[in-house]
Order: sequence, then C-alpha cells, then structure tokens
Amino acid sequence: DTAVSQTPKYLVTQMGNDKSIKCEQNLGHDTMYWYKQDSKKFLKIMFSYNNKELIINETVPNRFSPKSPDKAHLNLHINSLELGDSAVYFCASSQGLLQASGYTFGSGTRLTVV
Amino acid sequence: AQKITQTQPGMFVQEKEAVTLDCTYDTSDPSYGLFWYKQPSSGEMIFLIYQGSYDQQNATEGRYSLNFQKARKSANLVISASQLGDSAMYFCAMRFNTNAGKSTFGDGTTLTVKP
Repeated sequence: DTAVSQTPKYLVTQMGNDKSIKCEQNLGHDTMYWYKQDSKKFLKIMFSYNNKELIINETVPNRFSPKSPDKAHLNLHINSLELGDSAVYFCASSQGLLQASGYTFGSGTRLTVV
Repeated sequence: AQKITQTQPGMFVQEKEAVTLDCTYDTSDPSYGLFWYKQPSSGEMIFLIYQGSYDQQNATEGRYSLNFQKARKSANLVISASQLGDSAMYFCAMRFNTNAGKSTFGDGTTLTVKP
C-alpha cells in the first residue's frame, strides 16, 4: 500500500494546455507539500497545506493552483502551461509542522511541456 | 537566511568502503532539524536520517550515521560498507519549527559506488 501516491507519473503536454496532478497520502499526516525539482535537481517548495489550510505559497505564478479537499489529498492544477514548467513535481507529507518530522515523498510526476 | 551547502557535486567510493558526504548549513536559529534524503536513478526521494539541533548524540540508522558538529554547522552523512545500491543522489535538508514545515534543500551530491 503506497504511503504517498501521485498520479500521473509522466505527463507530456503542449504549451498552453491545462493539466492536473493528484496526490493522496494514507499516513494520517496533517501536512502536505508540493515541491518542484528542476533539471539541475534543485528542490524548491511551492505550496504547503496544514489541515487543509494553505500555509506556504512560495512566489509561484498564479497559473499554479493547489487544492486540498481533505487532509489526505493535495492536488495541483496548472493553467496555460509553459516550456519552463517542465520539471519533476513531488508531493510530500509530514506529521505536522514541527522540525523533527521528516517528509514522505510521492514518486514524483515528470512534466514535459512541448 | 537559512542555507544548506553541499560542496561535493560528485563522489566515488569503492564497494564495501565507507564514504562521507559533506553538508554545512547557515542559520542563526538555535533550534532546527537536519535531514538526509536519497534519490536513486529511479527518481523517488527516500528519507534516511534525522538529527535535531539539541540532540546530544549523533543519529544512526543502520549503515547511515550523521556526523553532527554544531559549532562548525556541519551535518555530514557517513555511509559505512558501501553497496552498489547506494549509488544515488543525496540531499541534505534543514527544517525549523518557525518555518511552517518548509524544508530547505542543498544542491545534492551524486554518489557512485564502484564494484
């Protein structure tokens, strides 16, 4: 049983399209995140939700809109996709906000915009 | 500002030998958590080990240990008895109670284990 599952694993789409990535965790964690890993493997936080409430929105373009219908789910919708959006997007979860809580990551979604 | 530095873009180690991956950090906050994650070529991110800033002893998890030197602000990962499956990218990360759960990651070190 996968702890943090992301779908799809691969996403190839044309510029200008709208796409969504879904994430679900079955760990009972309170906090979920979206991270972006660029082509140089650098990881940067995009959003964080705690108990369905948005608590981090890290200077991400408005074309990116997260949504958390409940504590176990965090989806990412991207409008008007651009070439620069090509990256690996990771969903992660943790037991709360405290510094001692490590992340459990999903397997990642490799988004390629052509 | 908090910053994590991993100065070794790539490292090589012979199978069955030990290897140390360097991580230094910069913060003025006295309370923080330090983490190491492994990313194999398959792409997933795997949590390896955690060290709290107030922990008196270095963390260990199986073949992984964290050499924590608080005064030097370093948190090096030591992998003993390297295995071929240890070949991966390794990320050091830092987290604070005051930062809404956000982790700051280093640029990573690619480790290659030679047979």
